[in-house]
Amino acid sequence: KAGVTQTPRYLIKTRGQQVTLSCSPISGHRSVSWYQQTPGQGLQFLFEYFSETQRNKGNFPGRFSGRQFSNSRSEMNVSTLELGDSALYLCASSLSGQGISYNEQFFGPGTRLTVL
Amino acid sequence: SQQGEEDPQALSIQEGENATMNCSYKTSINNLQWYRQNSGRGLVHLILIRSNEREKHSGRLRVTLDTSKKSSSLLITASRAADTASYFCASSGSARQLTFGSGTQLTVLP
Repeated sequence: KAGVTQTPRYLIKTRGQQVTLSCSPISGHRSVSWYQQTPGQGLQFLFEYFSETQRNKGNFPGRFSGRQFSNSRSEMNVSTLELGDSALYLCASSLSGQGISYNEQFFGPGTRLTVL
Repeated sequence: SQQGEEDPQALSIQEGENATMNCSYKTSINNLQWYRQNSGRGLVHLILIRSNEREKHSGRLRVTLDTSKKSSSLLITASRAADTASYFCASSGSARQLTFGSGTQLTVLP
């Protein structure tokens, strides 16, 4: 099975722009989660999607949004970029379904976003 | 911060030695997971221990969990240079998310 893929791998944007990152989960996985990793704040949960519905959201401003498509692929969008949004954005998929506790996550390689 | 803490922050050992990393978390959990990250890449799942388990083994890995102290430890035995990486614990509770610790940077010297 192919692993989780994320595109693009690297991205450079300027302040005020917006960006869309894409994630394709492992085939058969319906849960997709997004995490932000920075040297200062570490790994922080952004949101989780399951069957095209956002099930949980982390403590991030509304500039961070996401969605999931019927084929389980997910995108996250960050609008009005700030310097502090520079980070590694990681997507993870899992078999976690309704009522199943949050189990093993399979992570993609990440998208390295640099905001200038 | 909602993150847990890990110690040590950095650990340097010789090949063949054992490495022990400790993790503390803040809320009640369903399970606790350990992940490895090589140099800014994606995370790789190592092992999951459920809240009703006290110890679990997987190959050279041994994980313990003490829910009364809200702490866990990861032991890597007979370490290899290829074990050099950052190691993170991640707690999973009633909220559908992983709350990661601050990580331990392990360096295994050949």
